[in-house]
Amino acid sequence: GAVVSQHPSWVICKSGTSVKIECRSLDFQATTMFWYRQFPKQSLMLMATSNEGSKATYEQGVEKDKFLINHASLTLSTLTVTSAHPEDSSFYICSASTGGRLNQPQHFGDGTRLSIL
Amino acid sequence: DAKTTQPTSMDCAEGRAANLPCNHSTISGNEYVYWYRQIHSQGPQYIIHGLKNNETNEMASLIITEDRKSSTLILPHATLRDTAVYYCIVSDKAAGNKLTFGGGTRVLVKP
Repeated sequence: GAVVSQHPSWVICKSGTSVKIECRSLDFQATTMFWYRQFPKQSLMLMATSNEGSKATYEQGVEKDKFLINHASLTLSTLTVTSAHPEDSSFYICSASTGGRLNQPQHFGDGTRLSIL
Repeated sequence: DAKTTQPTSMDCAEGRAANLPCNHSTISGNEYVYWYRQIHSQGPQYIIHGLKNNETNEMASLIITEDRKSSTLILPHATLRDTAVYYCIVSDKAAGNKLTFGGGTRVLVKP
């Protein structure tokens, strides 16, 4: 149980393109989803917290107009990197939690490797 | 800022128990201790979590000291597939259950 699917696994695109990444909880309803970014040889950095039906909460230093997050249903959240540039190349990872009980762990997708040329 | 301290790396022998320490001396009463691991180029995998009692599941055991200032993750019989970076994280609902990843412990299981 507690499977989170992320799509696509990797994407290569030209500078200036917008890229959408999907995160789905397959066997549970995710009240809360989180988006992380990980640069090579570094740890995960939280970008934003997304609650179903409300606006995402972004961490300090993360541009909300650059990284658009939508959490329209209890099983799907999307991250759109708008007008992507080479510095946006990174490993993007989502996680999902039921959120209802305070101690429920987050379950992670397998990540999306984004390369901007 | 990460609220936990872990060794940067450690080696373990295949088939032996691996004991991974974590210090969280500033942990508050409502914060849980979570353990995750990340195998290269994959998303983190949840292992186990606890508040104050010791916990065990099919993957590992979590031993939390009585004062809750430190804990140990035990992999009872390490295999080569347990080679990964292991993260010890404390979090609670007041922080939105957010996870702050530190550097973790890079565990290498050797034959």
